[in-house]
Amino acid sequence: ETVLTQSPATLALSPGESATLSCRANFSISKYLAWYHLKPGQPPRLLIHDASSRATGVSDRFSGSGSGTDFTLTISSLEPEDFGLYYCQQRAIWPSFGGGTKVEIK
Amino acid sequence: EVQLVQSGTEVKKSGDSLRISCRASGYSFSLYWIAWVRQLPGKVPEWMGVIYPGDSDTKYSPSFQGQVTMSVDKSINTAYLQWSSLKASDSGMYFCARPNYCTRDSCSAPEYWGQGSLVTVSS
Repeated sequence: ETVLTQSPATLALSPGESATLSCRANFSISKYLAWYHLKPGQPPRLLIHDASSRATGVSDRFSGSGSGTDFTLTISSLEPEDFGLYYCQQRAIWPSFGGGTKVEIK
Repeated sequence: EVQLVQSGTEVKKSGDSLRISCRASGYSFSLYWIAWVRQLPGKVPEWMGVIYPGDSDTKYSPSFQGQVTMSVDKSINTAYLQWSSLKASDSGMYFCARPNYCTRDSCSAPEYWGQGSLVTVSS
């Protein structure tokens, strides 16, 4: 089973600051990692697929990196709408999600 | 514009049957897999499985095999998720989503999602 561990669990930041979110897999998943943003009452919004490719219409403030077991989502200059839950999801072997990181306003 | 529109909130009792729907528009329904994802309150999303509308080929996550049934009606561009006997533990939000493709083992990360169907089951 592919297990994804996200850290930190919570990140308290102010608008304008940068956020760095981590996702670690228990074995290599190559580049097959995506990042989503969730807000209450809304469907997940795909931000990044295949580790570093931005989805259609996603701001270049969002960038993804990594391969193998270690991945990072960086959000530069946080805007109010960026706060919420972020999940990583692997698709190497049957999709599964990480535990999530909550980005909250400091 | 690709759109997935799901049926609304359902309030049921344990043992009831239920079918929720996901109506697709803006693309050729038969050519793209539809995925179902569950999110229980306060929990991580879970990938339930996928169905290919072209031939109704289905792939269920082991956790959901035998617990739910996925189906489609190509004539109305609609996918369905069905329970024959609900449990209180089925209460949660259910999303349909459209991966660009699926292979034998997995699917691409879906960009298009329905708005979610909230299912509440009382015991």
